[in-house]
Amino acid sequence: DTGVSQDPRHKITKRGQNVTFRCDPISEHNRLYWYRQTLGQGPEFLTYFQNEAQLEKSRLLSDRFSAERPKGSFSTLEIQRTEQGDSAMYLCASSLGPGLNTDTQYFGPGTRLTVL
Amino acid sequence: AQTVTQSQPEMSVQEAETVTLSCTYDTSESDYYLFWYKQPPSRQMILVIRQEAYKQQNATENRFSVNFQKAAKSFSLKISDSQLGDAAMYFCASVGGTSYGKLTFGQGTILTVHP
Repeated sequence: DTGVSQDPRHKITKRGQNVTFRCDPISEHNRLYWYRQTLGQGPEFLTYFQNEAQLEKSRLLSDRFSAERPKGSFSTLEIQRTEQGDSAMYLCASSLGPGLNTDTQYFGPGTRLTVL
Repeated sequence: AQTVTQSQPEMSVQEAETVTLSCTYDTSESDYYLFWYKQPPSRQMILVIRQEAYKQQNATENRFSVNFQKAAKSFSLKISDSQLGDAAMYFCASVGGTSYGKLTFGQGTILTVHP
């Protein structure tokens, strides 16, 4: 079991550019989650998938954000026209799901985004 | 909606001593889970311990245990025999009911362990 992996680990971009992050969940985990964490704060939920279906999106997820999980395995999170306020750590987590008993989430190392 | 509050921004403990981190939560759900996660500096979030709300018995994992007071909506974490490697940001989180699927986190408590 290799754990949740995320790529890249760090991304520096200029304001207005598009960026895409990738998350590979733990094998056989059906659920995949994206969170955003700013410095010194707890993570905030962005969106989650059950297999390839996107089940919920937070109001934090503006129109510039889009997430996909096309084959129910890895997921991508794209941010278009980045703004300085998008600078944060983007965390991915996965769980067996559904069911509360199987919904313990395991986190990846995160992608730290810096928008200049 | 669920809310989680951690009122201690920072805590410190001497190595080998015991420390308790506080957490309160609010939920209208009857079925939910509570978690403590640990996030060392520049490292990934690690699950420390999990508590099912329907269980009266407090969860324990080696040196880590919780004091779950359901009526008071309190969920504190006790770390016994503290070690230098316990130094991290600790987050309390909940999931359940209509928010089932997404974790709601507290603001975190930074734990410093002094040798």
